[in-house]
Amino acid sequence: EAQVTQNPRYLITVTGKKLTVTCSQNMNHEYMSWYRQDPGLGLRQIYYSMNVEVTDKGDVPEGYKVSRKEKRNFPLILESPSPNQTSLYFCASSFLPGGSNGYTFGSGTRLTVV
Amino acid sequence: SQELEQSPQSLIVQEGKNLTINCTSSKTLYGLYWYKQKYGEGLIFLMMLQKGGEEKSHEKITAKLDEKKQQSSLHITASQPSHAGIYLCGADRSRAGTYKYIFGTGTRLKVLA
Repeated sequence: EAQVTQNPRYLITVTGKKLTVTCSQNMNHEYMSWYRQDPGLGLRQIYYSMNVEVTDKGDVPEGYKVSRKEKRNFPLILESPSPNQTSLYFCASSFLPGGSNGYTFGSGTRLTVV
Repeated sequence: SQELEQSPQSLIVQEGKNLTINCTSSKTLYGLYWYKQKYGEGLIFLMMLQKGGEEKSHEKITAKLDEKKQQSSLHITASQPSHAGIYLCGADRSRAGTYKYIFGTGTRLKVLA
């Protein structure tokens, strides 16, 4: 089944403790992206990647890092999480930005930083 | 302010009623996407519109693109409880020299049985 797999689904952590949210896709998509979704602010793009070793900032990259060492994986790293990073995070992939078939989204990771 | 504005922000309709959701862009639209999200879950792609005047349908959902007005509308005919969720429009900015892909703030739809 074609899918984007994110882990974990839920995570509660403490301020300053480094964490990684994993994202993997099995569709050979070039374009992968991370978003955060907050009430009233909608979905905001954190980082995106056009292909292996090619990443760029979205609209809200501060406090996040990404890497794209393999085509299928695009982990999101929070080196020193803070409470304002409490949010619902989504990974998405497509052949092109959006592509003719749109994005395929993961199920989301609900992160709480206390 | 948001580059993609959606209206209304929320909508409650009686089952069987028609409804329209609008998405307006502050920049030229080259491609406009519609997605549906069930609460707390990932988005599901509905359809993509590329050309001005283009109209597409997916089951009882029809979307239209007005390039001159930089606007798209999503129309649901004879709404059902299964239509409930959050509808979001999205746009890629690749022709603007960036590979960003942005979304509107969403329209929350509730359908009363």
